[in-house]
This record gives sequence, structure tokens and C-alpha cells, in this order.
Amino acid sequence: QTVVTQEPSLTVSPGGTVTLTCASSTGAVTSGYYPNWFQQKPGQAPRALIHSTSNKYSWTPARFSGSLLGGKAALTVSGVQPEDEAEYYCLLHQGGVVVFGGGTKLTVL
Amino acid sequence: EVQLLESGGNLVPPGGSLRLSCAVSGFTFSNYAMTWVRQAPGKGLEWVSAISATSANIYYTDSVKGRFTISRDNSKNTVYLQMNSLRAEDTALYYCTKGCSVSSCYDYWGQGTLVTVSS
Repeated sequence: QTVVTQEPSLTVSPGGTVTLTCASSTGAVTSGYYPNWFQQKPGQAPRALIHSTSNKYSWTPARFSGSLLGGKAALTVSGVQPEDEAEYYCLLHQGGVVVFGGGTKLTVL
Repeated sequence: EVQLLESGGNLVPPGGSLRLSCAVSGFTFSNYAMTWVRQAPGKGLEWVSAISATSANIYYTDSVKGRFTISRDNSKNTVYLQMNSLRAEDTALYYCTKGCSVSSCYDYWGQGTLVTVSS
């Protein structure tokens, strides 16, 4: 079974920049994995932020961006706001298999 | 406004069965794949199953194969998850999500329905 790995936790200061990554146990993540990123706050359903590596939705704040970085999918938040404190999940498609990462708890401090 | 409303969650004993439903409005249901995702208490997200727009393609995560069945009724804008032989580890909040297209993927989620497997 494919394992998708994210940093368990990251801390960033308000106004700072942070990059979350998403790695696959099967090797380098490519655009063919159609990486997705989601934000989840306590007691809420996940909210989609990024699809197909770098595509944003109309509701995705401009400070969020997706990319491929060093064989991993990456989510960068530039100019972090206090409201960005949340759990972030990546998702990778591998053929008929879809796997979420374990999530990154982002603390804004 | 897009709405996904899950229902059917309940407390069920190990080995029992349950059918979840997800009623959809606000987009052309018959054009999109649909997906179920679950989240055990205090844990991360787990993709469970997906069904294509016409039901021609169906996928499951390994841990539910042979026990869960996904289906849909495009005339009722509803997707279902029949869960049999339930185990304690199936305890989770089950979310229904809109599937992937060229321009979006899992962009809309319901609020979830809670399944608790316990004696």
C-alpha cells in the first residue's frame, strides 16, 4: 500500500512563509499524481485549496500556492495569517488508488 | 449553491451493516464522479471509495474491498455507501465529496455522518 508522508507539524510566525511537502513511498511525485491540498480546521469539513499540483479555486487565498519541489508536491503559504492555523492534507492519485497524506498541523505563533 | 447532505450514520455492533446516503444539489450530479472519505476520531483523512459519473468505474481502498459497496442513482442525485461486516476500525465520520473533473477535484464536501461500530 502506498504511503504518503507529510511533516507532522510546522510552526510559522505571522507574515512569514512556510512550505509543506507531500512525498510518496513509490518515488518522486509528478504532475501525473494530480496532487491536491486541503485545509481542515477543528470541527469543520475539509476545504479544497489546490488541485492538479497548482490550480487554485475561486475561494483559495492568493497567498496559497502549489508546486512540485524536489520530487515532492508542495504547498507554500506566503504571508501567513493567524487564520491559516489548521491541519493540511495532501492527496495523491496513483492509478485507481487515491491516498491522503497523514496531515501537517500548521501552528501560527 | 452546492450542497452535499450525508445521512445514515448510526451506532452499529461489530459485524453489522449500514447504508449511507449523500443527497446532492447545486451541480449536475450525473456529470461527476463521487467519492467517500472518512476520518476516524482524532485521526487523518482516509479515501474510501469512488464511483464514476455513469457507475462504469468503481474503486475502493484495500481495507473495505469485499465489505463496502458504492452506488449512485442519478435520477435522485444521490450516492450511497453500503457497509457490511463492519469492524471497530470503520468507526469514523464519513464525508461525501464531489469527484474529479478537468477543472476541479474534491472541491465540495458534505458535513459528514458519524458511523460508530461498537458493542
